[in-house]
Amino acid sequence: ETGVTQSPTHLIKTRGQQVTLRCSSQSGHNTVSWYQQALGQGPQFIFQYYREEENGRGNFPPRFSGLQFPNYSSELNVNALELDDSALYLCASGKTGTGEGAFFGQGTRLTVV
Amino acid sequence: QQPVQSPQAVILREGEDAVINCSSSKALYSVHWYRQKHGEAPIFLMILLKGGEQKGHDKISASFNEKKQQSSLYLTASQLSYSGTYFCGTGSNFGNEKLTFGTGTRLTIIP
Repeated sequence: ETGVTQSPTHLIKTRGQQVTLRCSSQSGHNTVSWYQQALGQGPQFIFQYYREEENGRGNFPPRFSGLQFPNYSSELNVNALELDDSALYLCASGKTGTGEGAFFGQGTRLTVV
Repeated sequence: QQPVQSPQAVILREGEDAVINCSSSKALYSVHWYRQKHGEAPIFLMILLKGGEQKGHDKISASFNEKKQQSSLYLTASQLSYSGTYFCGTGSNFGNEKLTFGTGTRLTIIP
């Protein structure tokens, strides 16, 4: 139990649609990062939020966007879904300067058809 | 550049030891190790920092060689619960979890 929860656990969307995934971070954590994990691959860094501002982005297009809220929750939004967006989306929360590492939620399995 | 892990997969009998290696082409500041079971979230095992010593807890330990830009995870007297895919994640800033994950090592422990 990491204290990080994501919703929904599974989702099926049609190509071209938009999707919002949600994450509730562990209390007291000030960073939240989102990762995309394709089947059989390691997680790929999408972006990170720190104190409600984007704090770094991986190699993902602008149709991937996010928000972080003061209550430790965050969202990942993906517009104009493509078939290749099908993956497990993980959020990870952490606290800078503690050396504790990041704690992952159980993920949202997104299938684009 | 994604860190490269070796081996890609290994099968061990319960009680045997394993070593998983993680090599990066870029200078490392920190290395994070995770274990992920099928269909579950990655679980944080430990973090090693540049200039830090070898770390460990229970029968799992790890080392970090800055000069070689490598880290190794050591699993001693493996248990069935150790089965899963192990990932190293390399970070550029301490405590800032923008991780670049390695290629993964699938570990299977059999009775």
